[in-house]
Amino acid sequence: AQSVTQLDSHVSVSEGTPVLLRCNYSSSYSPSLFWYVQHPNKGLQLLLKYTSAATLVKGINGFEAEFKKSETSFHLTKPSAHMSDAAEYFCVVRSTGRRALTFGSGTRLQVQP
Amino acid sequence: DSGVTQTPKHLITATGQRVTLRCSPRSGDLSVYWYQQSLDQGLQFLIQYYNGEERAKGNILERFSAQQFPDLHSELNLSSLELGDSALYFCASSPRTSGGVQETQYFGPGTRLLVL
Repeated sequence: AQSVTQLDSHVSVSEGTPVLLRCNYSSSYSPSLFWYVQHPNKGLQLLLKYTSAATLVKGINGFEAEFKKSETSFHLTKPSAHMSDAAEYFCVVRSTGRRALTFGSGTRLQVQP
Repeated sequence: DSGVTQTPKHLITATGQRVTLRCSPRSGDLSVYWYQQSLDQGLQFLIQYYNGEERAKGNILERFSAQQFPDLHSELNLSSLELGDSALYFCASSPRTSGGVQETQYFGPGTRLLVL
């Protein structure tokens, strides 16, 4: 079985400050992990993915995530938030042999001016 | 722009009716996935097709069905609609490899269904 827990439903930061969105996963097999972003009234866009190569993964728009097997975590970070980062972020897991993605419940990121 | 297209963007219908949602995958992608996003259930996988054949089923109701055509576009049919079927329906496609854990799914913009 596979599951994802996003620890915060809502995160608010000031523009220019760091962003941390937390994600823990559970998977019976070696997982692939993804972060997707959904802007208001838009579809889902892939930010980055981990597929058993380097544990620190760099994505688009300055985001990165670190895979920590011992902690079963895949937290998303960005050094400096921008107003355009305000959106809903989904942590996603996919285990070997499974075709479907399992989504977390989402974290809404608010960026204050 | 992911390259995945979905029509229509919005759909308003009444309970008991039937609707068809359409998805065109990225050029060359053989796999198509359907997902439902609702306020109470979040994002859930419904069903996957690969090169015209059903490959995996998720939380798809018996009132719902899908198919993938020879030109690889897919349709999701929703019948006997209920108020609770109101949701955003996403289609995603992935590259030629089937079932590979490393493959990325690219999502369309979604179809917003409102059942009144």
